[in-house]
Amino acid sequence: QVQLQESGPGLVKPSQTLSLTCAVSGGSISSGGYFWTWIRQHPGKGLEWIGSIHYSGTTYYNPSLKSRLTMSVDTSKNQFSLELTSVTAADTAIYYCARDFNGNRPYWDSWGPGTLVTVSS
Amino acid sequence: DIQMTQSPSSLSASVGDRVTITCRASQTISTYVNWIQQKPGKAPKVLIYGASTLENGVPSRFSGRGSGTDFTLTISSLQPEDFATYYCQQSYSNRDRTFGGGTKVEIK
Repeated sequence: QVQLQESGPGLVKPSQTLSLTCAVSGGSISSGGYFWTWIRQHPGKGLEWIGSIHYSGTTYYNPSLKSRLTMSVDTSKNQFSLELTSVTAADTAIYYCARDFNGNRPYWDSWGPGTLVTVSS
Repeated sequence: DIQMTQSPSSLSASVGDRVTITCRASQTISTYVNWIQQKPGKAPKVLIYGASTLENGVPSRFSGRGSGTDFTLTISSLQPEDFATYYCQQSYSNRDRTFGGGTKVEIK
């Protein structure tokens, strides 16, 4: 049973870079057929897909965030990461990482518990 | 990008009621729809993928139907642990994964 755990600063200043890591355990991030995904949820609001990455380096980003977003994979540490630059209060959210089973009918079959990131001075 | 319009945004129901939530896609997406449940303070979890396939461990009172642009999630007999927010989500394209606005199911 794969498990995911987000980590990173809970508080980021405006205009700075938000950096989060998702540690994967119980399975290899290099397994084919999976993408690794970030999703966020603004306080009291719905869910927003941020982007997905394959261990090979292939990435898909939400067009609304693409200019500020970089995702990466570290296979040696079995983890993947997100960097979002030039953050504002609008980036305050709970950030979830998830495994995307990219088979015939893709879906996120494992999720981390989420981490709250607040953007404030 | 593909828009997912979900209705209703909220509903009140009693234990034992049959509940149906609908989702409409802005373009045809075959059966690339997943249904996600989220309880307060918890991470979301997928109940149904591919429009109608129940994820492992999900009770059989949950069912999904639809193809093309119109999809439904039905709970045949609402249980106390089913009070939550439900989202539809499309996975038609790797470049574009969007959610419906959510349906909050509350106790009547």
